Amino acid sequence: DAMVIQNPRYQVTQFGKPVTLSCSQTLNHNVMYWYQQKSSQAPKLLFHYYDKDFNNEADTPDNFQSRRPNTSFCFLDIRSPGLGDAAMYLCATSRAIPDGDNQPQHFGDGTRLSIL
Amino acid sequence: RKEVEQDPGPFNVPEGATVAFNCTYSNSASQSFFWYRQDCRKEPKLLMSVYSSGNEDGRFTAQLNRASQYISLLIRDSKLSDSATYLCVVRDYQLIWGAGTKLIIKP
Repeated sequence: DAMVIQNPRYQVTQFGKPVTLSCSQTLNHNVMYWYQQKSSQAPKLLFHYYDKDFNNEADTPDNFQSRRPNTSFCFLDIRSPGLGDAAMYLCATSRAIPDGDNQPQHFGDGTRLSIL
Repeated sequence: RKEVEQDPGPFNVPEGATVAFNCTYSNSASQSFFWYRQDCRKEPKLLMSVYSSGNEDGRFTAQLNRASQYISLLIRDSKLSDSATYLCVVRDYQLIWGAGTKLIIKP
């Protein structure tokens, strides 16, 4: 019973060819995150949505964009993938509590992106 | 100084041994703390939230020391299936991930 679903599991694209990764959730969580993770490194937060509010990390390249058309879905668009963008892309959700209580993130299986 | 620091590892440990992971964080205002486990080429999975009073889940014990700004994870009677990378995560106004410590349990 997957609760955070990412598609596809594996994506191969050509250098410079736009690609879109998708994430959906059945948890009704109001926060959704996109991470990039390269081998032997910690996940690197790219951006997150708090409901409809988009929050971009300062060092996220302009090449990366995101859309969240509704609570359940979130997309990561890479406009012109470069070789350095080959990585695992992880989507996560969490329920935001105003008082900052412990609310962990729930991850999808990830999409492994390869660039030819 | 990194915001969240973990032992670089890897830890090579015989099956049945006790393993301790430490993690330090720089922001004293941090509010929430977690340990995640990540298997090779898989997504991170929540292992434990860490509460101020410390908490235990079977063979796993997590502790928080706010004064010293570190959290720990103890695994007792380690199993081969415990082999993974263990990531420390701290929340202040955002989530900060440690680089992870790889654990290899040997038979």
